[in-house]
This record gives sequence, structure tokens and C-alpha cells, in this order.
Amino acid sequence: QITLKESGPTLVRPTETLTLTCTCSGFSVSADRVGVAWIRQPPGKALEWLALIYWDGDDRYRPSLSSRLTITKDSSKNQVVLTMANMDPVDTATYYCAHSIVGPRFFDYWGQGILVTVSS
Amino acid sequence: SYVLTQPPSVSVAPGQTARIPCGGDNLRDHSVHWYQQKPGQAPIMVMYFDDDRPSGIPERFSGSKSGTTATLIISRVEAGDEADYYCQVWDTPSNLFVFGSGTEITVL
Repeated sequence: QITLKESGPTLVRPTETLTLTCTCSGFSVSADRVGVAWIRQPPGKALEWLALIYWDGDDRYRPSLSSRLTITKDSSKNQVVLTMANMDPVDTATYYCAHSIVGPRFFDYWGQGILVTVSS
Repeated sequence: SYVLTQPPSVSVAPGQTARIPCGGDNLRDHSVHWYQQKPGQAPIMVMYFDDDRPSGIPERFSGSKSGTTATLIISRVEAGDEADYYCQVWDTPSNLFVFGSGTEITVL
């Protein structure tokens, strides 16, 4: 069965770089047509797609945040890592990773999410 | 950038039908997917490709699309259906994923 789990710091200081890891099981992040995305949700607000990396390493970013985001994958650990530079209090949110497939491009499996607070 | 528009809230009495609209330009050219998110929980997919229901989702959930509006329909609404519902598309021209602003369903 497919599961994803987010891990990383729950508190970061303004201007710091956030690094989040999504550990995947039940599928390979390098399997044909697989994609893993990061999606965030500020408290009380809507879902916001951030980035996605495909099985072949191709990646996509939310244009408004692209200069701050990097998504990578480690096939040996079956993990996907998101870094977000220059964190600000407005980046306080629950960050989710989610499984996707090229073609449908929906998110059929989600992690439980991790709440990241940006505060000095 | 592509935008999906949803009403902030919809109220419905138990046993009645809830209809959640999602509007977007040229929506006929996009496959629409829907997610349910209950408080404190991660979203789950409740509809894909406009009107296909994942296994485990009750038959009370259905989807439709016409023109520039997709609709998630919940028949015989129950208290347990109270949640936020989001529509989502993949916008081919921009190669980006887009979520709607979300609709909170309140069961009266």
C-alpha cells in the first residue's frame, strides 16, 4: 500500500532555509510516470501547489516561488526533498507531499502533513 | 495564470443534495479532480476525471462538468460530509497544477 510521510523542522527562523523530506513506500519515486509533489496550506487557507518532481527528474515549480524552491529525489532512499530558501512568517503552513501520475495528474495519495512555523 | 473559482461555503440540510461548483476558463479542456479535507486531516481524493469515483468513496458522491463549470454533487448529505472541498486541474498551457479556493460544506 502506498504511503508518504513528511519530516523536517517544525520551527524555522525568518531568512533560514527549510528542508523537508518525503519518505515514500509502496511505490518507487523512479518508477515510470510517477511524480511526487509538495503542497502547502497556511492555517485556515486553501491548498497551494508548490513543486513536483517526476520519475525522470523533470521538475515543475509554482512560478511565484520558483526562485526559492528546489525539489530533488533520492532514489536509493525513495525520498523526495523540498528546500525553500529565505523563509518568512507568511510561509507558516502545513506542508504535504503527495503521489501523482503523469497523465491523470491528480494526487491520489497524501502524507499526513507537517506544520512548519516561521518565527523568531 | 489559470484560476479556479469556488464559493467559500455551501449549507445543506441532512438528507438533501449539495452541489459544489468550480469555475474556470475553458474548463472543458481540463480534467477536474476533487478532494475532501476534514478538519485536522490531509485531503483525500473523492472524484477524478470529472466524474470518476475512487474505490471506497460512497456512491452518494458524483461529479459533472458543463461548459466552464464542474460540479461535485453529494446526495443524501450526512453530518460526516462536513468538510472543505477543493477542485484541481492540471493546466496544460502553463504545465502547472492549480487548486480552487475551496468550499466549506456545512450540514445544517
